[in-house]
Amino acid sequence: DIVMTQSPDSLAVSLGERATINCRSSQSVLYSANTKNYLAWYQQKPGQPPKLLIYWASARQSGVPDRFSGGGSGTDFTLTISSLQAEDVAVYYCQQYYYFPFTFGPGTRVDLK
Amino acid sequence: EVQLVQSGAEVKKPGESLKISCQASGYRFTSYWIGWVRQMPGKGLEWMGVMYPGDLDTRYSPSFEGQVTISVDESITTAYLQWNGLKASDTAMYYCARTSGTILEDAFYIWGQGTMVTVSS
Repeated sequence: DIVMTQSPDSLAVSLGERATINCRSSQSVLYSANTKNYLAWYQQKPGQPPKLLIYWASARQSGVPDRFSGGGSGTDFTLTISSLQAEDVAVYYCQQYYYFPFTFGPGTRVDLK
Repeated sequence: EVQLVQSGAEVKKPGESLKISCQASGYRFTSYWIGWVRQMPGKGLEWMGVMYPGDLDTRYSPSFEGQVTISVDESITTAYLQWNGLKASDTAMYYCARTSGTILEDAFYIWGQGTMVTVSS
């Protein structure tokens, strides 16, 4: 299976400050034929199901605030929250959907400082 | 509105059978992959498997193959996850989720609210 790792495990950020989460896959999830990275980011708040934020590594899902952005290619990816809001406190997961079975990272907890 | 509504929490004993459900609405049920994700207490997300209701093509993660069965009933636009012989280690929240279309290699765009399964003697 493709192993997804995330760093840091957790981070605390002040309101309005930037939060950056890293995700690495054990193999490249870039498909050269269509130049797409098969990488998604999800947000999970306590007691709620996950919510898709980003797909194809950088495409923002409809309704997701533009303070959320995804970047990277190949094996290294980032999720950036440009100006953290109180409602962004959550666990964030990356997922590759290129190699079967599709695997999730272990999650990064984001809290307010 | 596209929705996935899951059945309620279950408490079972080891060895018992269980089938939980996920009723879809607001879209053409047969045109999207629908799958299941496990989240054990306090842990992360695990991709279990998916089915394409249009042709019943089913794919399981090797970690879950033979342990669970995914099925659908197209007439009531409902997907199921079934166990024959629950174990305490099956205690978890189970989410159903849907992709964006006909392609297997896809993220999960829509999620159900989750079904908590507790297995305890």
